[in-house]
Amino acid sequence: QQQVKQSPQSLIVQKGGISIINCAYENTAFDYFPWYQQFPGKGPALLIAIRPDVSEKKEGRFTISFNKSAKQFSLHIMDSQPGDSATYFCAASSFTGTASKLTFGTGTRLQVTL
Amino acid sequence: GAGVSQSPSNKVTEKGKDVELRCDPISGHTALYWYRQSLGQGLEFLIYFQGNSAPDKSGLPSDRFSAERTGGSVSTLTIQRTQQEDSAVYLCASSLQLADKTQYFGPGTRLLVL
Repeated sequence: QQQVKQSPQSLIVQKGGISIINCAYENTAFDYFPWYQQFPGKGPALLIAIRPDVSEKKEGRFTISFNKSAKQFSLHIMDSQPGDSATYFCAASSFTGTASKLTFGTGTRLQVTL
Repeated sequence: GAGVSQSPSNKVTEKGKDVELRCDPISGHTALYWYRQSLGQGLEFLIYFQGNSAPDKSGLPSDRFSAERTGGSVSTLTIQRTQQEDSAVYLCASSLQLADKTQYFGPGTRLLVL
């Protein structure tokens, strides 16, 4: 059972454009929604995260939009650059009483062209 | 250390052999997690440790998989009698404590079972 659905699977954006990646979740117990960026041969690195009591969070060119009623959240990359080319994973965290467990989406491979 | 380190970075083995994968978490981090990343898939949670204890082993795919952690630091993931479907990238992450929602990932070990 996939609890976090991510789309699209791949995305090609021109330099300077806006990249948008979407995720939807089912479990209302999730209370923290991070995005991870992964370059080839590297482990995922935390990019930006949001809690469900906030509808938007912006850090530089990266923005998370969160819609609690729709159980959806998205990552927007403004002014996309070739250096942003990577795989992006959304995730959702729930606290089980003993640990915070992350459930990941299947990833979006972003390519930013010149 | 400066970050989570994993060894080996790559491992090629023959079907039926045992393999050991090692993870060194960030110094001072008490929580440690293992994930598996198969080609084109998201990250699949395997197991977590709080100190040397693993309260939840339900994510381990089969009884051929086991993990231990000693001294509250280094962890070893062991796969016995490897199968071709075990081929994947095995990622380790650590966090300051289990309730901490930010996990820091290592570069992973790429396992190929021939």
